[in-house]
Amino acid sequence: KNQVEQSPQSLIILEGKNCTLQCNYTVSPFSNLRWYKQDTGRGPVSLTIMTFSENTKSNGRYTATLDADTKQSSLHITASQLSDSASYICVVSRGSYIPTFGRGTSLIVHP
Amino acid sequence: DTAVSQTPKYLVTQMGNDKSIKCEQNLGHDTMYWYKQDSKKFLKIMFSYNNKELIINETVPNRFSPKSPDKAHLNLHINSLELGDSAVYFCASSQDFGSSGADTQYFGPGTRLTVL
Repeated sequence: KNQVEQSPQSLIILEGKNCTLQCNYTVSPFSNLRWYKQDTGRGPVSLTIMTFSENTKSNGRYTATLDADTKQSSLHITASQLSDSASYICVVSRGSYIPTFGRGTSLIVHP
Repeated sequence: DTAVSQTPKYLVTQMGNDKSIKCEQNLGHDTMYWYKQDSKKFLKIMFSYNNKELIINETVPNRFSPKSPDKAHLNLHINSLELGDSAVYFCASSQDFGSSGADTQYFGPGTRLTVL
């Protein structure tokens, strides 16, 4: 069964701290893995997209890693800001585009 | 200069009614999508159109019918609305599917549908 599991479900950190969000998947055959940021009441915004041959990709203070052997990905946020408070969603696709979404990690950054 | 726009932003209606949600993108993209996000914030793809042709049609009731009059528009028509249709519906677009389906997708602001 194609599944995407994210952890933790929610996370609270202090402004300026780093954090890492996890994504484990059983989707097969693997095509690509995306991380999205979704602010409350808004549409998701793409952070990174990685294909099978890529094991790390950065977008500013966001760095995603992919281990296709263990079927795990992580999203590392450096020097968190209040504006990082959002839901972070991992999406794993098979075929040309058949996505399976994780349920997201809710991140709250406190001043 | 909104890239992907949806109307209306909120839609409240009675069970059994028929309603439409409109989506427009001004990015010149060839591919558009409809997603449904339920009350637990779980996203699921419904449809994808590439150059006005249906590419993906996930297990969605046939009460839902997408219509693409041109590459810049993908509207969603829903017949005989049910309570379970209450959700936020997102439209998105990408240049194409890309290599391995990896083109960046740009999402609209969402339409919150409430069925009473």
